[in-house]
This record gives sequence, structure tokens and C-alpha cells, in this order.
Amino acid sequence: GAVVSQHPSRVICKSGTSVKIECRSLDFQATTMFWYRQFPKQSLMLMATSNEGSKATYEQGVEKDKFLINHASLTLSTLTVTSAHPEDSSFYICSAQSLRLAEYYNEQFFGPGTRLTVL
Amino acid sequence: AQSVTQLGSHVSVSEGALVLLRCNYSSSVPPYLFWYVQYPNQGLQLLLKYTSAATLVKGINGFEAEFKKSETSFHLTKPSAHMSDAAEYFCAVRNRDDKIIFGKGTRLHILP
Repeated sequence: GAVVSQHPSRVICKSGTSVKIECRSLDFQATTMFWYRQFPKQSLMLMATSNEGSKATYEQGVEKDKFLINHASLTLSTLTVTSAHPEDSSFYICSAQSLRLAEYYNEQFFGPGTRLTVL
Repeated sequence: AQSVTQLGSHVSVSEGALVLLRCNYSSSVPPYLFWYVQYPNQGLQLLLKYTSAATLVKGINGFEAEFKKSETSFHLTKPSAHMSDAAEYFCAVRNRDDKIIFGKGTRLHILP
């Protein structure tokens, strides 16, 4: 199947700093990428949807100025957590979807996740 | 709005026993349904998906699920549990905006 990578897999930062997480589709062009957040022992909550070349669409309750999403190319989306605080500590997972791959049309492929810890 | 409900946040079965993880869906249109597995500190792996082609869906690792419209259910089963099946399992539905809505998850414990 199609492969999605995330970098870094783990990051620890000080409160007040910004952290960038990358999501890459390695062997296909992702027309849409999704960002999820998962608190310990909880389900995944969709944060935002991004389409290449356009602004991300954020879910209700997600601060767009806090979580900056850029989808500059068909293989890369970035999530920047600005001025991170301990309550932002979480597991962030991205997924990528392609409308161009007939075999995997409209299926989402998930990255391995990034564990963010804010001290 | 489409949603899924997973019954039981924790399920324990003995190694070699039947695995049954329950999921009920709510949808006004024929749903696209999924089961994902998540191992600790890892992303999600798709086990199987229902897209209306067949009511009994076979997935990876010996798992299968049956779509029952009359019961609005999509339960996940495996005839014989293996220690490596211990993980978190999520049932999910895709809505009209292509967003995937996840259930709360079921932690599967395998007893030796």
C-alpha cells in the first residue's frame, strides 16, 4: 500500500517554543492530507483538512493560529504548533489521501505519528 | 451525522479463543466503514473496509467483519486470537466530506 511518513517521531520542547511536524506521502501524490490529535488512551480527533495549494480547513474548536498547517506540495504537509504549552502535549497523526490513484481511490493512509512533549 | 459506537473499551480473550469486537454505526446513507489497529506509540493500520461490495469483508491478519444493515453493525471477528493481536482497535466511518470519524476504541487483551 501507499506509505506515509512523519518526522520527527518524537519531540520534546520547552514551553513557548514552536515545533514543526512533517507529513510526507512517499510514493504517491496526496491531494488531501488530514491532521489528527490523540490524547492518551483516547481516540483520534480530526484537527484539520488540507488540500494542496489551499488553506487548511479546521475543525470546530481547533485554533488555526495555534496549529499552522501548510500543504505546499502534493507530497508534503506540515503542522506547526506555535508557542507550545504542556497542554499541547499529545500524539499527532497525519493521513494522506489521493484522488488520482485508482487502486486506492479515496482511501486514507496514516503516518506513524509524532509524540510531542512540551515541558 | 454519521458516527460509530464501539461497545466495550476493554476486551480480554484467551489465546486461541474467538475475538469479537463490537461496532454499531449511525448513518443515513450507505456507509463506508473501517476497522483500524493501533499498536503502542504507532500510527494506524487498516485491517479492513466495507464499501458495499460484499457484506462479509476479509482483512489482514485473519480478521473479518460482517456488515449487517438490519442491526446497523459492523463487528470485527477473528476465529483464534494470537498474542500479537493485543492492541487498540478502532471502528470508523467516512462521512460525506471524506472525513473519517473514529469510535472511541477497544483495547484487546490476550490472556496466555
